Amino acid sequence: KQEVTQIPAALSVPEGENLVLNCSFTDSAIYNLQWFRQDPGKGLTSLLLIQSSQREQTSGRLNASLDKSSGRSTLYIAASQPGDSATYLCAVRQRTNAGKSTFGDGTTLTVKP
Amino acid sequence: DTGVSQDPRHKITKRGQNVTFRCDPISEHNRLYWYRQTLGQGPEFLTYFQNEAQLEKSRLLSDRFSAERPKGSFSTLEIQRTEQGDSAMYLCASSLDHSTDTQYFGPGTRLTVL
Repeated sequence: KQEVTQIPAALSVPEGENLVLNCSFTDSAIYNLQWFRQDPGKGLTSLLLIQSSQREQTSGRLNASLDKSSGRSTLYIAASQPGDSATYLCAVRQRTNAGKSTFGDGTTLTVKP
Repeated sequence: DTGVSQDPRHKITKRGQNVTFRCDPISEHNRLYWYRQTLGQGPEFLTYFQNEAQLEKSRLLSDRFSAERPKGSFSTLEIQRTEQGDSAMYLCASSLDHSTDTQYFGPGTRLTVL
């Protein structure tokens, strides 16, 4: 059974700092890994999707990397802004069951002005 | 706006009542997913459809839960005889007909069972 863990559960940083969010998973037989952002009481917004054959993806100030063999992904946020404050979730989709994504419980990020 | 929409956004009901939620996916998306999320947790998979076929149901989906996607477009999720433990955010997502595709989520329906 796939398990996804995100550490830390919460993170507070001053504006402008670069930061890294971590995601680990127990079963490396994945199709892809997706990072989402969730604002309080809202749905999920897709940030980046990395296919199992890829090592990283970039979008603006965000860079996500994937090390499938070690079961890890990181989301790097450059020059953080107060508007980045949200919960960040990672989700993996298995090769053995491509309809289902397994989510971590997220890291809640607060960027202080 | 052509994103995923869900209705209603909020539902308050009494224990024992039945509720039904609706999800309208992005128009060209063949796959549709239902998840449930409780406070402080990540979403948990409930079920997914490819077109009108329901291809998998989680063990979380007890006999009181049923989902349909009759014409391969919108989907409904019904909960019968609601219990307080059913209180959660119910999220719908859709994707194109590929396992590798990005999932796009709707805003969710927040259910409160009194």
